[in-house]
Amino acid sequence: EIVMTQSPATLSVSPGERATLSCRASQSVRSTLAWYQQKPGQAPRLLISGASTRATGVPARFSGSGSGTEFTLTVSSLQSEDFAVYYCQQYQNWPLTFGGGTKVEIK
Amino acid sequence: EVQLLESGGGLVQPGGSLRLSCAASGFTFNSYGMNWVRQAPGKGLEWVSAVSAGRGSTFYADSVKGRFTISRDNSKNTLYLQMNSLRAEDTAVYYCAKDQTGTTAFDIWGQGTMVTVSS
Repeated sequence: EIVMTQSPATLSVSPGERATLSCRASQSVRSTLAWYQQKPGQAPRLLISGASTRATGVPARFSGSGSGTEFTLTVSSLQSEDFAVYYCQQYQNWPLTFGGGTKVEIK
Repeated sequence: EVQLLESGGGLVQPGGSLRLSCAASGFTFNSYGMNWVRQAPGKGLEWVSAVSAGRGSTFYADSVKGRFTISRDNSKNTLYLQMNSLRAEDTAVYYCAKDQTGTTAFDIWGQGTMVTVSS
């Protein structure tokens, strides 16, 4: 099983600032990496797939990068609606696995 | 509008069974792989099971293998999860999720249905 590790667990950021979230895979997943956003009481929402391709309707302030074992999600200028929990997920191998999540909170 | 609507959750005793359903609309259901993902209270996301679009190949997390069975009825645009021998650690919100075209990222999610395993 590929283990996905996200850091930090919690990120405190002021509105308008940049947020950088990390995701590491225990073995190479090439570019088969997705990022999701989840707000309280809601289902997750796909932000990024293929490590760097934004899903339909996702604002350009969200960007993904990386390949192999190291990945990054960057939010260039945090808006109030971006405070949420973010998860990475690999889909290179079965079983599909998620990281533990990063909570982005208001500083 | 593309939509997934889960049903069938509830309270069940340890060792009991439950069947979840997920009704799909707004897309060609039989063309996409489908998944179940769960989230225990206050915890992160855990992929549970998947069924492919064509041959209906199935995949399971080790934590549910042998106890849960995923299936789909393309004539009814519905995904199912039969859950047997339920344990307290199966308590979670269960989401159904659609594969994105060409990937096993999940581009559409249902609202979730709560399963509570308790005596």
